[in-house]
Amino acid sequence: GNSVTQMEGPVTLSEEAFLTINCTYTATGYPSLFWYVQYPGEGLQLLLKATKADDKGSNKGFEATYRKETTSFHLEKGSVQVSDSAVYFCALSDTRDSNYQLIWGAGTKLIIKP
Amino acid sequence: GAGVSQSPSNKVTEKGKDVELRCDPISGHTALYWYRQSLGQGLEFLIYFQGNSAPDKSGLPSDRFSAERTGGSVSTLTIQRTQQEDSAVYLCASSQGGTSHEKLFFGSGTQLSVL
Repeated sequence: GNSVTQMEGPVTLSEEAFLTINCTYTATGYPSLFWYVQYPGEGLQLLLKATKADDKGSNKGFEATYRKETTSFHLEKGSVQVSDSAVYFCALSDTRDSNYQLIWGAGTKLIIKP
Repeated sequence: GAGVSQSPSNKVTEKGKDVELRCDPISGHTALYWYRQSLGQGLEFLIYFQGNSAPDKSGLPSDRFSAERTGGSVSTLTIQRTQQEDSAVYLCASSQGGTSHEKLFFGSGTQLSVL
């Protein structure tokens, strides 16, 4: 079956540090991959996505590349800010599923210290 | 409204009581999802409504859980005879009903605590 595994948190970094949050997946079909972010006190929102192998999603300085050979979709940012502190979720959607439900990772809490 | 609204934001109940959680989706969104988020876990799919079609209830964990969506808008998730393991954040999301999840909009959730 489909599953998503992401690195455990919390991840604590200083401002302007380089960020990587690992995400790997297993899928029987050809999934789309997503990163969602949940800022404190707010609802989940889509950060970026990629729908096929070698696609790169990007938004707000974050990037993730769909790597089929390593079944990964790691989230990266070159220089983090305090405002990036949030919980980040990796997820996949198998387009063969009729209800388009997302399969979610457990979430990684990111703490950025000034 | 401007976003997906859920109420209450927090609910504390005693084991064995029934609870109702409400979701008011974005106006015009035909698709509505309920998810459950337990501490340290990813989101668990519960139920999916799409327009007037029969809902996909495949994620409901037991027959104590049920959900309705009246008039294609507001949805209510009901948990009967609550158990401590039901404690979690219950999230509602809506979308225009297209094929892509990029259009999913989430509410802030209801934190349910069963004592």
